Amino acid sequence: GEDVEQSLFLSVREGDSSVINCTYTDSSSTYLYWYKQEPGAGLQLLTYIFSNMDMKQDQRLTVLLNKKDKHLSLRIADTQTGDSAIYFCAEIPSGGYQKVTFGTGTKLQVIP
Amino acid sequence: EPEVTQTPSHQVTQMGQEVILRCVPISNHLYFYWYRQILGQKVEFLVSFYNNEISEKSEIFDDQFSVERPDGSNFTLKIRSTKLEDSAMYFCASSDPGETGYGYTFGSGTRLTVV
Repeated sequence: GEDVEQSLFLSVREGDSSVINCTYTDSSSTYLYWYKQEPGAGLQLLTYIFSNMDMKQDQRLTVLLNKKDKHLSLRIADTQTGDSAIYFCAEIPSGGYQKVTFGTGTKLQVIP
Repeated sequence: EPEVTQTPSHQVTQMGQEVILRCVPISNHLYFYWYRQILGQKVEFLVSFYNNEISEKSEIFDDQFSVERPDGSNFTLKIRSTKLEDSAMYFCASSDPGETGYGYTFGSGTRLTVV
């Protein structure tokens, strides 16, 4: 079945860039999403990328997709303390009516 | 921006009791889902629903669980006889395959605590 893997923890200093990595196995993925979850809160969609794109930039966020290696990354520029949260990578196969498979989540800690 | 709304935000129930978690999906979406996140763990798929029937369910979604769309706006998840291990955050979602990104939108969740 589908599998999405992430490293569990990342610590960065405020003002530095953060890069959160994700690998997935499903070659039929059409969209790949990044969600942010703050403690005790819900899932906030940060950004997504269509599988035929290599890169997407949205303000401080840059998503890179290497479809050949099935590797996705989220770069947060000028990381702030408010960026401290768990970040989930997720993928969905074609159709848009199927389940989203989530990664294990990466806890980002921003040190002031 | 359209939202998926879930109620209640937090529910505490005694083991063995029935609970109903409620969701109002985005109005023009036709596909609905429930997911579960046990504290500290990943988000897991439970069930998807389309055209008034279940389209896919996971191994977690056993006979204790059921879903229903009782009217044109609500989508509910019922747990018949809750167990301690049902304690989790439950997320509802809806999608529209015709939208960019599929419009896959999650609600803010219901935290279920079984005591």
